[in-house]
Amino acid sequence: DTGVSQNPRHKITKRGQNVTFRCDPISEHNRLYWYRQTLGQGPEFLTYFQNEAQLEKSRLLSDRFSAERPKGSFSTLEIQRTEQGDSAMYLCASSARDSLFLGGEKLFFGSGTQLSVL
Amino acid sequence: KQEVTQIPAALSVPEGENLVLNCSFTDSAIYNLQWFRQDPGKGLTSLLLIQSSQREQTSGRLNASLDKSSGRSTLYIAASQPGDSATYLCAVSPGRGANNLFFGTGTRLTVIP
Repeated sequence: DTGVSQNPRHKITKRGQNVTFRCDPISEHNRLYWYRQTLGQGPEFLTYFQNEAQLEKSRLLSDRFSAERPKGSFSTLEIQRTEQGDSAMYLCASSARDSLFLGGEKLFFGSGTQLSVL
Repeated sequence: KQEVTQIPAALSVPEGENLVLNCSFTDSAIYNLQWFRQDPGKGLTSLLLIQSSQREQTSGRLNASLDKSSGRSTLYIAASQPGDSATYLCAVSPGRGANNLFFGTGTRLTVIP
């Protein structure tokens, strides 16, 4: 399977615990995005990387959130001291640099990690 | 701040019917508009991308139109099939990159066999 892979698919944790999610993008894609989607809402942008550089972070990304993309390959999103309001689907997407020249960026999404904070 | 609205929130149609999904946005200064499909518990699949200079895009049974000045887009699905059942989201972007995609809340479509 050459699509975007996210692990785990589901994560249940207790309030105050730390969690980490992983995203493996399509291998030749150099741009990687994290979005968050709550029930009944559209996804909201969190952060993105071009290769290993984190180029932008949304104001939604509090200090408890940190994302990395070592070596420009897979990415991890860590949430420290989880709160019930962090419960959501965390979506990862990747795109190829060339797509920027085609009138817009076509994103390829993973199936997401569903986080439930009890 | 850009706001994207999709009406209706949910729609049920019998198989074979043609249907239209609506999307409106408050700031017409967009670079492009995209339509996505999301199956339950899954990520999004890009369906169509319309640049701001274009009026419509077609892919198979799907046709998306864009009226940038009025802040509206429609997604037309011809001869609907049960496999079309999903949530359809539209998203607008002020630039080429996807770092500022503003999504609507989606229309949940059910096609009844």
